[in-house]
Amino acid sequence: NAGVMQNPRHLVRRRGQEARLRCSPMKGHSHVYWYRQLPEEGLKFMVYLQKENIIDESGMPKERFSAEFPKEGPSILRIQQVVRGDSAAYFCASSRNSYEQYFGPGTRLTVT
Amino acid sequence: AQRVTQPEKLLSVFKGAPVELKCNYSYSGSPELFWYVQYSRQRLQLLLRHISRESIKGFTADLNKGETSFHLKKPFAQEEDSAMYYCVLGGSQGNLIFGKGTKLSVKP
Repeated sequence: NAGVMQNPRHLVRRRGQEARLRCSPMKGHSHVYWYRQLPEEGLKFMVYLQKENIIDESGMPKERFSAEFPKEGPSILRIQQVVRGDSAAYFCASSRNSYEQYFGPGTRLTVT
Repeated sequence: AQRVTQPEKLLSVFKGAPVELKCNYSYSGSPELFWYVQYSRQRLQLLLRHISRESIKGFTADLNKGETSFHLKKPFAQEEDSAMYYCVLGGSQGNLIFGKGTKLSVKP
């Protein structure tokens, strides 16, 4: 089992461009979570998804951010019209049940 | 409000010394608490959870509901314990609520 996979590991975008971050959960895991880590901060919950459903998006900014977990393929976190403040590390985690979550290596987004 | 506080950003000890990483939480109801660890160049991983009441790599953590604390302890620190440690609370929606983390540095 390869563990949770995230790609790309590093992503550089200019202001105004779109960023797409991908997460493949561990085999057998149907719960996916996205977290964001700003410098000097802990991880902050963004969204919780199961296949084809958003369960909780209370941590997602209201605009420009969206997430999906389709029936086939990875979960995608999409950030439209990126701004400098979106620069952060984005982590994906997956689980069979809610709390024992396995984390991916993260995607470091830099907005120039 | 659901919140986790780790008051120490950095904790530096010598090898063989006892270690205590402090954690306080705010949660109405019965909390589920965890410690996650991130070693250098590795991904975040679960170290221990309070309901299992086990010792992992010599670390233990006891939930004190009266003091709303979940401090992580180890009697004799090793150099390989140097890492970033996060105290984590299970939120009401299944998400995890992280403290800001404590960087533990164990010197030889």
